[in-house]
Amino acid sequence: EAQVTQNPRYLITVTGKKLTVTCSQNMNHEYMSWYRQDPGLGLRQIYYSMNVEVTDKGDVPEGYKVSRKEKRNFPLILESPSPNQTSLYFCASSLSPGQSPGNQPQHFGDGTRLSIL
Amino acid sequence: AQKVTQAQTEISVVEKEDVTLDCVYETRDTTYYLFWYKQPPSGELVFLIRRNSFDEQNEISGRYSWNFQKSTSSFNFTITASQVVDSAVYFCALSEVYSGAGSYQLTFGKGTKLSVIP
Repeated sequence: EAQVTQNPRYLITVTGKKLTVTCSQNMNHEYMSWYRQDPGLGLRQIYYSMNVEVTDKGDVPEGYKVSRKEKRNFPLILESPSPNQTSLYFCASSLSPGQSPGNQPQHFGDGTRLSIL
Repeated sequence: AQKVTQAQTEISVVEKEDVTLDCVYETRDTTYYLFWYKQPPSGELVFLIRRNSFDEQNEISGRYSWNFQKSTSSFNFTITASQVVDSAVYFCALSEVYSGAGSYQLTFGKGTKLSVIP
């Protein structure tokens, strides 16, 4: 089954304790992205990756890191989490090889709800 | 910069009523793509439709229909004979294709929460 898998689904942690949210897709997609969803703000892009070893900042990258060492995985790293990073996070992927960028719908994971105390 | 505006924050309708969700966008590009996603109370994001900027044909899928008008930069979504299962947050989104860099970014509106009352 084609899917984007995020882990964990829920996490409560404390300020300053490094954490990683994993994201994996099994569709051989080239493009992967991270979003955060906050009430009244919709979804905002944090980082995206066009392919292995190619990453770029989205609209709200501060406080986050990403890496793309393998095509299927795109982890989101919070080196020193702070309470303002409490949010619902989504990973997404799209763009099968040989297709045009932009016109492909993104496939989303089920979301990770992070609470940072 | 691209922007998507969903002016309706929340809408409530009684079951079987028709409802239209508005979406207005801004873009500098002539080639772009528009999407609608549904987020039910369970939280996942479900893709509903994609439309490219060169195709202004309206589309109907069962009780769902979409009206794309480039002249007004709008891509509105209508649910006919609404049902309780339609209760969700609906997001409109826009992606541009940046020439040269070969990358693109998807920009979402803030969403419209639809409540269908039985």
